Amino acid sequence: QVQLQQSGPGLVKPAQTLSLTCAISGDSVSSNSATWNWIRQSPSRGLEWLGRTYYRSKWYNEYADSVKSRITINPDTSKNHFSLQLNSVTPEDTALYYCARFFRDAMDVWGQGTTVTVSS
Amino acid sequence: DIVMTQSPLSLPVTPGEPASISCRSSQSLLHRNGDNYLDWYLQRPGQSPQLLIYLGFNRASGVPDRFSGSGSGTDFTLKISRVEAEDVGVYYCMQVLQIPITFGQGTRLEIK
Repeated sequence: QVQLQQSGPGLVKPAQTLSLTCAISGDSVSSNSATWNWIRQSPSRGLEWLGRTYYRSKWYNEYADSVKSRITINPDTSKNHFSLQLNSVTPEDTALYYCARFFRDAMDVWGQGTTVTVSS
Repeated sequence: DIVMTQSPLSLPVTPGEPASISCRSSQSLLHRNGDNYLDWYLQRPGQSPQLLIYLGFNRASGVPDRFSGSGSGTDFTLKISRVEAEDVGVYYCMQVLQIPITFGQGTRLEIK
């Protein structure tokens, strides 16, 4: 049974970097058939896909245009997890953040969610 | 980006009665392989979204058969044949045909 466990701080100061980690159990971040995604949810923006990382003989990353200049998603094969870094955050980045596995054409496994508040 | 539009946004339903949610996409989600790249999710209160239907009509593992998905191209429907109390929450459609993956606004189902 695949599970995703999120960790990271719930409070980030404006202009700083938001960092979250998603630990994978029951699958591998290096899987050739899954992609590993970050999604956020807020009242103003609804569910918003932020980006993904995946391995297909080499590593790929794809990001939403809305955050492309500020986001990095990195896999860590030694720890079997992937991370989200979002730079230069503002209060508009306040949201509930999810990691999710995309497998066989759907987000079939989701993390538990992390509420991140951007405030001084 | 593909824009996903759901209706209604709020859906009060009497237990035992059917319910139907519409999802329309700004571009066709029909791939040349014949699959429609449209999924449905339910987010129960306080929980993460959970997969109900993938590729338009396939029920995910463990999803009761009272849930069904239909449609093709730009028009899709999620139907619940007989609503139960545990079906309360927000239903989302999501397109996975192209990046960025995009979601509908959500339809909140409540019990009358």
